[in-house]
Amino acid sequence: AQSVAQPEDQVNVAEGNPLTVKCTYSVSGNPYLFWYVQYPNRGLQFLLKYITGDNLVKGSYGFEAEFNKSQTSFHLKKPSALVSDSALYFCAVRPNTDKLIFGTGTRLQVFP
Amino acid sequence: DGGITQSPKYLFRKEGQNVTLSCEQNLNHDAMYWYRQDPGQGLRLIYYSQIVNDFQKGDIAEGYSVSREKKESFPLTVTSAQKNPTAFYLCASSMGEFNQPQHFGDGTRLSIL
Repeated sequence: AQSVAQPEDQVNVAEGNPLTVKCTYSVSGNPYLFWYVQYPNRGLQFLLKYITGDNLVKGSYGFEAEFNKSQTSFHLKKPSALVSDSALYFCAVRPNTDKLIFGTGTRLQVFP
Repeated sequence: DGGITQSPKYLFRKEGQNVTLSCEQNLNHDAMYWYRQDPGQGLRLIYYSQIVNDFQKGDIAEGYSVSREKKESFPLTVTSAQKNPTAFYLCASSMGEFNQPQHFGDGTRLSIL
């Protein structure tokens, strides 16, 4: 079965430190990869996507993601975390079908 | 501003009652989606539509129904057959191509009285 794994339910980081939120996937073919962020009682906001090309993708709010085909991973990164980055982050994968497969989400907590 | 509007923000259902959640978009997107979000389970696809007057079941369609009579509107009805309807419901839309991101509304939280 096709799936997306976010192995950490929560990631804690101090403000100003780099952050990484992990995502691995198991799908056939060459899927499209996405990261979304969700603030409390709000919908998901699109952060960035990988379609093809450079393995390091830059997105909104200073976030970037590194695609690794051999490890089937797409980790979200930011060089310097802000308290306002605290939210729920979802990795999503779209194989060449009409459905998007979401991970279960990782809660990022940035401490002052 | 273009976007997706979901209403109401909060909704309460009595036993045996059907309720309808509204989703309207002015992004001129062809495809629209309904997801259910439960704590710790991520998003699960209920129904989706890639074109007006056509829609397909997602992974958890039982107890739900939809219509797509207009490009900008995709209402979801939670029927009395859905025994555990308490959840956060999210509507999304996209251009339809597989490499395009989905854009989400701010959700409707449905609870049982």
